[in-house]
Amino acid sequence: AQSVTQPDIHITVSEGASLELRCNYSYGATPYLFWYVQSPGQGLQLLLKYFSGDTLVQGIKGFEAEFKRSQSSFNLRKPSVHWSDAAEYFCAVALNQAGTALIFGKGTTLSVSS
Amino acid sequence: GAVVSQHPSRVICKSGTSVKIECRSLDFQATTMFWYRQFPKKSLMLMATSNEGSKATYEQGVEKDKFLINHASLTLSTLTVTSAHPEDSSFYICSAKVATYEQYFGPGTRLTVT
Repeated sequence: AQSVTQPDIHITVSEGASLELRCNYSYGATPYLFWYVQSPGQGLQLLLKYFSGDTLVQGIKGFEAEFKRSQSSFNLRKPSVHWSDAAEYFCAVALNQAGTALIFGKGTTLSVSS
Repeated sequence: GAVVSQHPSRVICKSGTSVKIECRSLDFQATTMFWYRQFPKKSLMLMATSNEGSKATYEQGVEKDKFLINHASLTLSTLTVTSAHPEDSSFYICSAKVATYEQYFGPGTRLTVT
C-alpha cells in the first residue's frame, strides 16, 4: 500500500540556520510528490511539487526539494530559516494516475529559535 | 491565487445533534472537492471526494450515513456530521481541485462534540 513517512515529528532550528525535512514514500509507480505547509488558522499551502524531469525542484518561500528515486525520498530544504517558517510541514504523494487524491505523511513541526 | 473558505472555523455541538460545515471556492469553480479529517499530531485522512451534481465517493471505513456530503454548486460543498458523538471531534479540512494534480485547501473547521 502507498504510504508516506516523515521520520521527524518535531525539529527545532536556529533562525538563519539551514533546514532539511525528511520524507520517504512507498509507491509502486512513478510518484507525484508534494510538500505543503500549514500554519495555525491557515489552510495548507503548496510549497512545491515534483512530477517528472529535474529532480531538484524549487518552490515558494525559498524552499527546494530533491527527488531521489534510489532512496525513495523527497526531502525539503531551505538554506536559511526565518522565524516565520515555524509551522507544520506535510509531505504528500498523489494516490493514483488521475492524481486526485493525496496521501499525507504525519507531518513535521518546525520550531525556529532566535 | 485560488481561495477556499470554510465556515464555521470552530463549532461546538452537543452529542446527538447534527452540524453542517461549508466549503466554498471563492474565485474559481470546482467540480471536485475533497474532505479530509485531521487528528492531533496525525496526517490528513481523506474522507470523501465530492463531485458537483453527483454522489460523493467515500473512502473505506468512512460512514456515508454519518458524514453527508452535498456538492450542489460549482463553488459549494457541504459536510454534515449527523448524530454527532464526542469521537467525531476533530479538525475537518476541505480542498478544491483546480487542476489534475493541484488542490487548494480551506483553513479547516474545528468540531468539538460535548
